[in-house]
Amino acid sequence: DTGVSQNPRHKITKRGQNVTFRCDPISEHNRLYWYRQTLGQGPEFLTYFQNEAQLEKSRLLSDRFSAERPKGSFSTLEIQRTEQGDSAMYLCASSLHGQPQHFGDGTRLSIL
Amino acid sequence: AQTVTQSQPEMSVQEAETVTLSCTYDTSESDYYLFWYKQPPSRQMILVIRQEAYKQQNATENRFSVNFQKAAKSFSLKISDSQLGDAAMYFCAIQGGSEKLVFGKGTKLTVNP
Repeated sequence: DTGVSQNPRHKITKRGQNVTFRCDPISEHNRLYWYRQTLGQGPEFLTYFQNEAQLEKSRLLSDRFSAERPKGSFSTLEIQRTEQGDSAMYLCASSLHGQPQHFGDGTRLSIL
Repeated sequence: AQTVTQSQPEMSVQEAETVTLSCTYDTSESDYYLFWYKQPPSRQMILVIRQEAYKQQNATENRFSVNFQKAAKSFSLKISDSQLGDAAMYFCAIQGGSEKLVFGKGTKLTVNP
């Protein structure tokens, strides 16, 4: 069990650029979640996959955000035309059905 | 909609003493889970303890225990024999009717030597 892995750890980009983050879940976990955490707040749910199917999306996930999990293993979260308000820590978690979610270290996004 | 409220932004405790962190929640679900997660500075979120709402017995994990009051929708975390390594942000969360976790704003715990 190597844990949930997220890359990159830090991403600095200019406003208007596109960014993509990757999450590798714990290998046997079929559920994968994305959350966003801003300073001084708890994580907020963005979206969730069961295997390759995206089953739930938050209202927070605007049209500029897209997530995929093409083979039911790793997932990518892309943000297009980044804005200042996108600066946050993006957390990935994975789980088995009925079991607690295990989190990765997160990707910190800074928009210049 | 589910909500979680943590009314203590910061708490402090002396090493070896006991501290209780408060959490209240609201949900219309009859079946749900409650969690406490710990997030040390610049480190990943770690599960501390989980409580199933249908279980009346309070969950315990070594020095960590909860006081689950279902009617009052209260879910506090007690840390006994506090250690320096317990210093972190503590988040209360609920999961019910959906796979997503809904978190509170967190309580920053400082442990003084």
